[in-house]
Amino acid sequence: GAGVSQSPSNKVTEKGKDVELRCDPISGHTALYWYRQRLGQGLEFLIYFQGNSAPDKSGLPSDRFSAERTGESVSTLTIQRTQQEDSAVYLCARGLAGGNEQFFGPGTRLTVL
Amino acid sequence: AQSVTQLDSHVSVSEGTPVLLRCNYSSSYSPSLFWYVQHPNKGLQLLLKYTSAATLVKGINGFEAEFKKSETSFHLTKPSAHMSDAAEYFCVVSAPGGYQKVTFGIGTKLQVIP
Repeated sequence: GAGVSQSPSNKVTEKGKDVELRCDPISGHTALYWYRQRLGQGLEFLIYFQGNSAPDKSGLPSDRFSAERTGESVSTLTIQRTQQEDSAVYLCARGLAGGNEQFFGPGTRLTVL
Repeated sequence: AQSVTQLDSHVSVSEGTPVLLRCNYSSSYSPSLFWYVQHPNKGLQLLLKYTSAATLVKGINGFEAEFKKSETSFHLTKPSAHMSDAAEYFCVVSAPGGYQKVTFGIGTKLQVIP
């Protein structure tokens, strides 16, 4: 596979609840990306981690969104007080050393009722 | 700054006919360019990439793309469409070098008619 697992694969939540999405890449890749893909639309960049550098958070749509990464491994994307417009597939990708190829996980499909 | 424009949101071709998916980019440097494919209910997969070597890049499943700096284009082609090519295709641009932020196009949905 792509060496990225994501959990849960599906998440249904009620408006106003908080959710936490997990990305677990294989070790040895310092770059990790989160994207959002709304139904019928392209990928929307959210946040990018690279090694020990400060993450690029320029794509986060609001302060309800945050992400953390522990070293070069697991990352969690947290959405607080979810809204219906947060419904989307959230994709995580790992970066390949020496280039900008990305290897994507299967995604988490979030549905906010 | 960088951006990418996929000129067609939907493309429909008959099986066995050529495929052309268009992509134009804008970049203030010599970019790296990629095409990814996303089959229904499956993850994104790298199809091919251009990183300043040969301008004609060959990818998986018979696809290729040509980098044309004068036209700022990176169109994806395939001589003969197969039913299994039906998917969504994304053109991507990034700065050269490792671990750069990338920009995805909005995607082109390819339909293959039997």
